[in-house]
Amino acid sequence: GAVVSQHPSWVICKSGTSVKIECRSLDFQATTMFWYRQFPKQSLMLMATSNEGSKATYEQGVEKDKFLINHASLTLSTLTVTSAHPEDSSFYICSARAVGGGAKTQYFGPGTRLLVL
Amino acid sequence: LAKTTQPISMDSYEGQEVNITCSHNNIATNDYITWYQQFPSQGPRFIIQGYKTKVTNEVASLFIPADRKSSTLSLPRVSLSDTAVYYCLVVEAIMDTGRRALTFGSGTRLQVQP
Repeated sequence: GAVVSQHPSWVICKSGTSVKIECRSLDFQATTMFWYRQFPKQSLMLMATSNEGSKATYEQGVEKDKFLINHASLTLSTLTVTSAHPEDSSFYICSARAVGGGAKTQYFGPGTRLLVL
Repeated sequence: LAKTTQPISMDSYEGQEVNITCSHNNIATNDYITWYQQFPSQGPRFIIQGYKTKVTNEVASLFIPADRKSSTLSLPRVSLSDTAVYYCLVVEAIMDTGRRALTFGSGTRLQVQP
């Protein structure tokens, strides 16, 4: 149980294009999903917290107009990197937290590696 | 700036017990401490979660002192497949701001030798 998927697993794009990454909770409903970014040999950095049906909350220093987050259902959140540039190349990981029951555990997706040329 | 810190790396041999400590001096009240394992190019995998004292499951134990300013992940009898990076995850109270921030530790790279 508690499986989270991401699509695509990797993407290469040209500078200036936009890239959409999907995060799905496959066997549970998630009121809250989180988006992280991880650079090589570094820890995960939280970018934003996404609650179903409401606007995402972005961490300080993360541009909300550049990293668009949509959480339209209890099983799907998307992150769109708009006008991507080489410095946006990174490993993007989502996580999902289950509905109710005081659940505190985040379950992570496998990550999406983005390379912007 | 609040930090959640861990030793950068640890070495061990198969069959030994490994203890990894995370320091989280600014941990917020009423939130759990969670530990994850991460292999290269994969998402973190849940290991164990606790609030205080000791928690044990089939793969690890978690020790949390009364002040909760640190936590120790204990892996009994490690094997080669336990070679990975281990992270703690806490909610930090950001000083003088009233904000709370979900924060991963700096990560500990465990290398298990045969």
